[in-house]
Amino acid sequence: GQQVMQIPQYQHVQEGEDFTTYCNSSTTLSNIQWYKQRPGGHPVFLIQLVKSGEVKKQKRLTFQFGEAKKNSSLHITATQTTDVGTYFCAGWRYAGNMLTFGGGTRLMVKP
Amino acid sequence: DAMVIQNPRYQVTQFGKPVTLSCSQTLNHNVMYWYQQKSSQAPKLLFHYYDKDFNNEADTPDNFQSRRPNTSFCFLDIRSPGLGDAAMYLCATSTTLNQPQHFGDGTRLSIL
Repeated sequence: GQQVMQIPQYQHVQEGEDFTTYCNSSTTLSNIQWYKQRPGGHPVFLIQLVKSGEVKKQKRLTFQFGEAKKNSSLHITATQTTDVGTYFCAGWRYAGNMLTFGGGTRLMVKP
Repeated sequence: DAMVIQNPRYQVTQFGKPVTLSCSQTLNHNVMYWYQQKSSQAPKLLFHYYDKDFNNEADTPDNFQSRRPNTSFCFLDIRSPGLGDAAMYLCATSTTLNQPQHFGDGTRLSIL
């Protein structure tokens, strides 16, 4: 079945450092979505990427979708304590008709 | 504000005692999902409704059932909760299957 792998599982950074999480799918995706879940909270949708090679930015967050539509990344520039949480990628493919979540990357930021 | 509301936020039940969790939405979305999330894990899809069409994930235990009496409401029934069912249960909605999902705050279920 389809698998979506996410690395790293955990990341500790000093406030102000950059952070990147990577997402890889075993199959080609039609789109990929990113969610953020704060400790004790629920997943909140951040962004959706659809096109091969697409890059989108949200303030300090940069999202990329690979040319082959099998991988994606989320990069945060100059982390802040408000960035703390778990970031999930979730890939969609039409065959199977389902969204598959990656395992998540838990980001911890030291002030 | 349009939203996804789950009740209760915390639910305690006894081993083997049936429990129902509820979800309502004001987004008028076609699809409603139920996820189980255990500590430090990704949400695991249990089933979803596309309108009235029910879709069960292959590995969802028979112990878990769902009802969607109308567009706005969806229920998760756990017929005989076991200790392994203690988890956060998340309801989510989307306009259609491949679109972003809007999650409720979740119900944390504890089993005594």
